[in-house]
Amino acid sequence: NAGVTQTPKFRVLKTGQSMTLLCAQDMNHEYMYWYRQDPGMGLRLIHYSVGEGTTAKGEVPDGYNVSRLKKQNFLLGLESAAPSQTSVYFCASSYASPAGGSTQYFGPGTRLTVL
Amino acid sequence: AQKITQTQPGMFVQEKEAVTLDCTYDTSDPSYGLFWYKQPSSGEMIFLIYQGSYDQQNATEGRYSLNFQKARKSANLVISASQLGDSAMYFCAMREGSGETSGSRLTFGEGTQLTVNP
Repeated sequence: NAGVTQTPKFRVLKTGQSMTLLCAQDMNHEYMYWYRQDPGMGLRLIHYSVGEGTTAKGEVPDGYNVSRLKKQNFLLGLESAAPSQTSVYFCASSYASPAGGSTQYFGPGTRLTVL
Repeated sequence: AQKITQTQPGMFVQEKEAVTLDCTYDTSDPSYGLFWYKQPSSGEMIFLIYQGSYDQQNATEGRYSLNFQKARKSANLVISASQLGDSAMYFCAMREGSGETSGSRLTFGEGTQLTVNP
């Protein structure tokens, strides 16, 4: 099993360009998440999904959109990139747990630079 | 107010000694969970240990244990017999509410950089 994979691993954009980050998981997890990590900081939640066709906003959703058309994939879009979106982006997934105790498994991250 | 506070930006420990990384949290939800993740210099996030708010005993996973003091709202990570490979950034994270209401989403602290010296 590959676990959680992210495409691409690195990307450089110019201000105003758009791009989509792809996250795929092969663990049949119901929940998926997108986080960003800025230098010297912990991860902050951008958007998340509790199932196919559903998405919800996290702590820092502005400037991002997401879609979950298939259970195994979670896409993060930047419509008009800004330098403030320079960051490392992590995707994660977990089983649905009513008690909330399921572990999140993370992808390797995408390093995005916006010039 | 910060939901997760890690007050030690950096910690140093000698190889084979034990080290405690501090984490305090703030929540009014009776149902929550606390996680510790390790991030080596390569950048990946590695799950270490989990403690639920209703768990009666402190969680342990190999050389990792979680010192859970509910009244003090602290969830410190203890690493016994430190190894050179333990050098990394360590993050404490909290999930509030049940999975159904919160989607099990996590709030992270800012991390503690641990350096293990030979």
